[in-house]
Amino acid sequence: EVQLVESGGGLVKPGGSLRLSCAASGFTFSTYTFSWVRQAPGKGLEWVSSISSGGSTIYNADLLKGRFTISRDNARNSLYLQMNSLRAEDTAVYYCARDGTAYSHYFDFWGQGTLVTVSS
Amino acid sequence: DIQMTQSPSTLSASVGDRVTITCRASQTINSWLAWYQQKPGKAPKLLIYKASSLERGVPSRFSGSGSGTEFTLTISSLQPDDFANYYCGQYNGSPPWTFGQGTKVELK
Repeated sequence: EVQLVESGGGLVKPGGSLRLSCAASGFTFSTYTFSWVRQAPGKGLEWVSSISSGGSTIYNADLLKGRFTISRDNARNSLYLQMNSLRAEDTAVYYCARDGTAYSHYFDFWGQGTLVTVSS
Repeated sequence: DIQMTQSPSTLSASVGDRVTITCRASQTINSWLAWYQQKPGKAPKLLIYKASSLERGVPSRFSGSGSGTEFTLTISSLQPDDFANYYCGQYNGSPPWTFGQGTKVELK
């Protein structure tokens, strides 16, 4: 059974940092592209970042302005999102999502999400 | 960036109704469109990809159509489990991949 389990969310002050993790199981992690998608409270879905299966290709949403860094450890079946210089508008549930194929960025499996709250 | 616009924002329907949700792209996305269902407090679930391909395990009452800039998601006979929020998402070419603002299907 495919499972994606996020962790690392919590309450952080503006300007602070957090590192989200996503542990994958039930499939061959190293063969899939992965993404982070977020959802602000009561709002819609927003793509954040994607990383190819080997980690060599990374895409980031322009609005992040270089504050977030996606990475992965295929030996540990894990995906990460390092978030720096956090702002109130980054408050959201962050989902890790598996891309359907290497070249088709629809998301066929999602984790349960982890809530990040940026507030003083 | 490609803007995705869904309509309606809210749809009131009864069990057994045929329901259609529309998604329009600000420029052509060929057939690179997916539909997701999301229930409160839960992660989104993939229903349809490549505009009309039904994801494994998704009931056949869900169907998708369209290409270019206009797409539809149809539920042929609405079931109690289908009351949820629905999002379209485009994945044409280069990022950013963008989503519609969502459609809430509620009980009339």
